[in-house]
Amino acid sequence: SAVISQKPSRDICQRGTSLTIQCQVDSQVTMMFWYRQQPGQSLTLIATANQGSEATYESGFVIDKFPISRPNLTFSTLTVSNMSPEDSSIYLCSVDGAETYEQYFGPGTRLTVT
Amino acid sequence: SQQGEEDPQALSIQEGENATMNCSYKTSINNLQWYRQNSGRGLVHLILIRSNEREKHSGRLRVTLDTSKKSSSLLITASRAADTASYFCATEGVIQGAQKLVFGQGTRLTINP
Repeated sequence: SAVISQKPSRDICQRGTSLTIQCQVDSQVTMMFWYRQQPGQSLTLIATANQGSEATYESGFVIDKFPISRPNLTFSTLTVSNMSPEDSSIYLCSVDGAETYEQYFGPGTRLTVT
Repeated sequence: SQQGEEDPQALSIQEGENATMNCSYKTSINNLQWYRQNSGRGLVHLILIRSNEREKHSGRLRVTLDTSKKSSSLLITASRAADTASYFCATEGVIQGAQKLVFGQGTRLTINP
């Protein structure tokens, strides 16, 4: 299994500002995933980040709003840009198991936009 | 959408009782997984059942899969207060040419001491 850490664990931000969330994995992985979980809701995939290529975004999510970096095989960042209160959510990163299909999740970043 | 629908949305039982949660989905899948989330934290993988399997056990967990009905159930036996959490099913399959994991809406389980 993979151990994943995220920073920050939570933040309160003003509307119009941007926040960058970091995700660190204790092993090298090909793909990293970013999810959003709005209050009381399920997880929605934002994008898949492969090292060395541009992230692949899901319908409804765009690079200008959620730019992603993947500089190496153990690290990724997600930026939430020009935030509004509707961006208040938990943001989670995850990775695939090395030989299995389950995903391992970080502890999440709880974002509140005022 | 392949998204799983879970019922009930919320379940409250007494400690020691069994808890059953159900998940339905719409399209063909490679496997179905169950995750637990405590108080808005990260998700923890519980169990995976492949599309050619019908039942799987792990400790106090029992998962069934009926691909003809596109449904799955998660049974937690002899529940404990520590089982209080939200439980999500997630289906893995190919969507628009890519392998993806799609989560259901979740069941909020409360175990009363």
